[in-house]
Amino acid sequence: DQQVKQNSPSLSVQEGRISILNCDYTNSMFDYFLWYKKYPAEGPTFLISISSIKDKNEDGRFTVFLNKSAKHLSLHIVPSQPGDSAVYFCAASTSGTYKYIFGTGTRLKVLA
Amino acid sequence: DAEITQSPRHKITETGRQVTLACHQTWNHNNMFWYRQDLGHGLRLIHYSYGVQDTNKGEVSDGYSVSRSNTEDLPLTLESAASSQTSVYFCASSESGAQHTQYFGPGTRLTVL
Repeated sequence: DQQVKQNSPSLSVQEGRISILNCDYTNSMFDYFLWYKKYPAEGPTFLISISSIKDKNEDGRFTVFLNKSAKHLSLHIVPSQPGDSAVYFCAASTSGTYKYIFGTGTRLKVLA
Repeated sequence: DAEITQSPRHKITETGRQVTLACHQTWNHNNMFWYRQDLGHGLRLIHYSYGVQDTNKGEVSDGYSVSRSNTEDLPLTLESAASSQTSVYFCASSESGAQHTQYFGPGTRLTVL
């Protein structure tokens, strides 16, 4: 039973345009969410987080939106750059635990 | 600089052998985690620890064990390696006290023949 789902395995976007990566979850107890970026042969690196008390968090070109009623979050990258080409994972956690459930990842390719 | 390291980075072993993957962090984090990454499955939690002498099973713990004798290290042992355990393994650590970002090591690619 996949509690965190990333239904798009891959996404291609032109440089300079917006990239939107989506993530859905089923467990209503999740209240903290992270996005990670992963390059080949490297470990995942933290990108941005959001708590369930917010519906938006922004950090430079990266914005995460959380829709609790829909159990959906999305990562927006504006403008997209070729260096953003990587696999992106969303992850969810519940207060009181420190472990995260990860999605299956979306491979983003930004075309120059 | 504080960091998290994994060794070896690549390992080839035979079915039935015992294998231990090392994870070492210098952040003094209480929480440490082991994941495996497989195509179509993303990152799946194998075992985790919230402190010295504490270990817990994750979602795919069968065939794996961990021990936590100090804060810095969480070695992962495959008791009797199977071909299904061919994967890329990532170790991560985080602070305790609140929900915190997990910081990942560079990974170990394990091949079981």
